Amino acid sequence: GAVVSQHPSRVICKSGTSVKIECRSLDFQATTMFWYRQFPKQSLMLMATSNEGSKATYEQGVEKDKFLINHASLTLSTLTVTSAHPEDSSFYICSARLGNLGRRGSPLHFGNGTRLTVT
Amino acid sequence: AQSVTQPDIHITVSEGASLELRCNYSYGATPYLFWYVQSPGQGLQLLLKYFSGDTLVQGIKGFEAEFKRSQSSFNLRKPSVHWSDAAEYFCAVGLNNAGNMLTFGGGTRLMVKP
Repeated sequence: GAVVSQHPSRVICKSGTSVKIECRSLDFQATTMFWYRQFPKQSLMLMATSNEGSKATYEQGVEKDKFLINHASLTLSTLTVTSAHPEDSSFYICSARLGNLGRRGSPLHFGNGTRLTVT
Repeated sequence: AQSVTQPDIHITVSEGASLELRCNYSYGATPYLFWYVQSPGQGLQLLLKYFSGDTLVQGIKGFEAEFKRSQSSFNLRKPSVHWSDAAEYFCAVGLNNAGNMLTFGGGTRLMVKP
């Protein structure tokens, strides 16, 4: 079945550095990918929608200059957390949809997430 | 705007007991409803989904859910819980016009007693 690979699964970085998280659709093309963030004991929050070949669409309250999203190909989207701070420590999950936007109701396929810890 | 409510933040059941996780949604059109499970530190796995047709849907791992339009509910059930079912469960509703984005409920953490 459709698989979404997310890398790395865990990363620890120092405050002020940048971290890149990759999200790949392994056996299908995904024109749209989504990035979520999960705070401890809370639900997922959609951060942004990543569109191949165009700018990402960010949810209200998400800093686009801090969370850089690039969707350069139909199988890869990256999220870069720039100048990371301890409050950015969280669990980040990406997802992708099999097929195109016209396929109503198709479930998303999720990556296994990235645990980011900023010290 | 659509919303999803999972009234129970935590639920503890004994192994072998039955389980029902509640989910209520608010959406103006025909909803696309999903249940996901998330094990600690991992991504989400789709348990089942409802689009149309039979209101009782079967999923993986022995789970089922029933769509009740009159109650705006989509509760998840399992007749006999196993210790490996301990995880966090998320109900979600998909947008009707594009079907490509989900609104999640707050999640219900299930703990299983031996």
